[in-house]
Amino acid sequence: DVKVTQSSRYLVKRTGEKVFLECVQDMDHENMFWYRQDPGLGLRLIYFSYDVKMKEKGDIPEGYSVSREKKERFSLILESASTNQTSMYLCASRGDDYGYTFGSGTRLTVV
Amino acid sequence: KQEVTQIPAALSVPEGENLVLNCSFTDSAIYNLQWFRQDPGKGLTSLLLIQSSQREQTSGRLNASLDKSSGRSTLYIAASQPGDSATYLCARLKGYSSASKIIFGSGTRLSIRP
Repeated sequence: DVKVTQSSRYLVKRTGEKVFLECVQDMDHENMFWYRQDPGLGLRLIYFSYDVKMKEKGDIPEGYSVSREKKERFSLILESASTNQTSMYLCASRGDDYGYTFGSGTRLTVV
Repeated sequence: KQEVTQIPAALSVPEGENLVLNCSFTDSAIYNLQWFRQDPGKGLTSLLLIQSSQREQTSGRLNASLDKSSGRSTLYIAASQPGDSATYLCARLKGYSSASKIIFGSGTRLSIRP
């Protein structure tokens, strides 16, 4: 089975901090995604990547950046964390069958 | 209008019942259709993936069907158990390219009473 691992389950950061959320997949998938999930708003796509060093903006990229230096790792970066970025962050990878596999999520709280 | 609609939004049934969760789409161009389960505070777990050329998929007590002509998918859960309590999300893929996106429904929150 494909495994998508998010390095942290819970994070608490201060306003203005630079925050790194890490995601690793073990099945050599080309496509990886970062979503945030908020009550009443569902899942919203932040960024995605379809190859190493390639990235595309999703629906809500403002305040975020990403890095994909290796195929298996896709990092989400909050350059200067703000309280409105408190959310559940979900990483996913997509296989050749276009099926998605999600990680267990990172609950980020910005205080 | 929502691209992917799930009805009902919440459902509570006694243990042992067979139940059906519904998912409908506004766009008739169907590529993949995927059902997920999400437990509170956790990530999404993939349950079933239906490719565009398929009509249904089965895994254990779960069966998902896809009717492209009506723009609907159903998830059938047989002999429900308290451990099935979770939110169930359907998602449809919009194309087969690197930039293709997946669109999620808002979910059905299922509660199975012992």
